[in-house]
Amino acid sequence: DADVTQTPRNRITKTGKRIMLECSQTKGHDRMYWYRQDPGLGLQLIYYSFDVKDINKGEISDGYSVSRQAQAKFSLSLESAIPNQTALYFCATSDYYTDTQYFGPGTRLTVL
Amino acid sequence: GDSVTQMEGPVTLSEEAFLTINCTYTATGYPSLFWYVQYPGEGLQLLLKATKADDKGSNKGFEATYRKETTSFHLEKGSVQVSDSAVYFCALRRETGTASKLTFGTGTRLQVTL
Repeated sequence: DADVTQTPRNRITKTGKRIMLECSQTKGHDRMYWYRQDPGLGLQLIYYSFDVKDINKGEISDGYSVSRQAQAKFSLSLESAIPNQTALYFCATSDYYTDTQYFGPGTRLTVL
Repeated sequence: GDSVTQMEGPVTLSEEAFLTINCTYTATGYPSLFWYVQYPGEGLQLLLKATKADDKGSNKGFEATYRKETTSFHLEKGSVQVSDSAVYFCALRRETGTASKLTFGTGTRLQVTL
């Protein structure tokens, strides 16, 4: 079984809809991250969390919110989706000691 | 701010050719440097890393040396295989207190043909 899982893997939605992307990990890591990848660009950090009570904005947090429901779960929400949020979204985790990030398989989101 | 610049792709090579993907960075202090690989339809996987100047990271035949004097971390492999076809991302991590975030380059697509 994969250590970092993301659901759904693909989602097509319409402008104005609320969308939640979920991430779960079995690695026992305390740190979790959400990234966005656009064609021809690197990954941009949306939000990150160093423990259940710690949430921080990344480079491009506008239009997004997150919830850290437990150490193993970190959800990303788009309150009112817009077409330029069409992208590939990745969740990642890391631990305090090595801080090496491990990525999930990604969620491809299309906003029409 | 921090930034990572990678060579433009795609890079197309024949099997067994020598690979170099250039990566240079801009950052204050002493960042750690990484190469990640993304195979089609998958998430990013850590390929190798180096945490201080002159360190060499290596894995699966790939190597990269942390060159502080040229602010570079070029990825090399002596003989590529078709299975190496993927997108390669260079990244840096600069420690700032408890914050530890990755800054990625735009990625370089490698296509290896028979």
